[in-house]
Amino acid sequence: SAVISQKPSRDICQRGTSLTIQCQVDSQVTMMFWYRQQPGQSLTLIATANQGSEATYESGFVIDKFPISRPNLTFSTLTVSNMSPEDSSIYLCSIQGGGETQYFGPGTRLLVL
Amino acid sequence: GDSVTQMEGPVTLSEEAFLTINCTYTATGYPSLFWYVQYPGEGLQLLLKATKADDKGSNKGFEATYRKETTSFHLEKGSVQVSDSAVYFCAMDTGRRALTFGSGTRLQVQP
Repeated sequence: SAVISQKPSRDICQRGTSLTIQCQVDSQVTMMFWYRQQPGQSLTLIATANQGSEATYESGFVIDKFPISRPNLTFSTLTVSNMSPEDSSIYLCSIQGGGETQYFGPGTRLLVL
Repeated sequence: GDSVTQMEGPVTLSEEAFLTINCTYTATGYPSLFWYVQYPGEGLQLLLKATKADDKGSNKGFEATYRKETTSFHLEKGSVQVSDSAVYFCAMDTGRRALTFGSGTRLQVQP
């Protein structure tokens, strides 16, 4: 299975600011996914990021709030813009490995004050 | 729309008890089904999976069978340990490659 790393692992931010989360994979992958896990909740898909094209966002998530970059086949970033306390969550990136299995990064734990 | 429904938690069991966590799904077609586990303070890990009807996924003593007729994928373990305390998520892939997750079930195993 691929090794997925995320930076930062955690952060505390002030409302109104933005945070960019990085996701690095040790192998080339076509599709990467960004999920959000709000406190005590399940995971919700934010968007699917393919290299060389615009990210595809799920209902309730917009590019202005969560811009995503996918400059190559091993890297992606998710920015959480103009943050509010409601954005406090764990943000996870994932990839699809062999056999339809998804592998997840360790997550970025964000607290917005 | 597509959805996954899990039994509410927390589930509290004594060590060596039998575990069942119910999971049912609603989807068009035949999705692949997964159980993921999240141990305290750790990331999400794949526990087991099944990709077609009647398949049984198994790992670490946990089992789940893909039941098309009841659209279910219940997680079972014959004898739980304290180290099994975690949050368990049922999930499916309907072919769009992203996963749809259930709400998660917290398992607490007491010695």
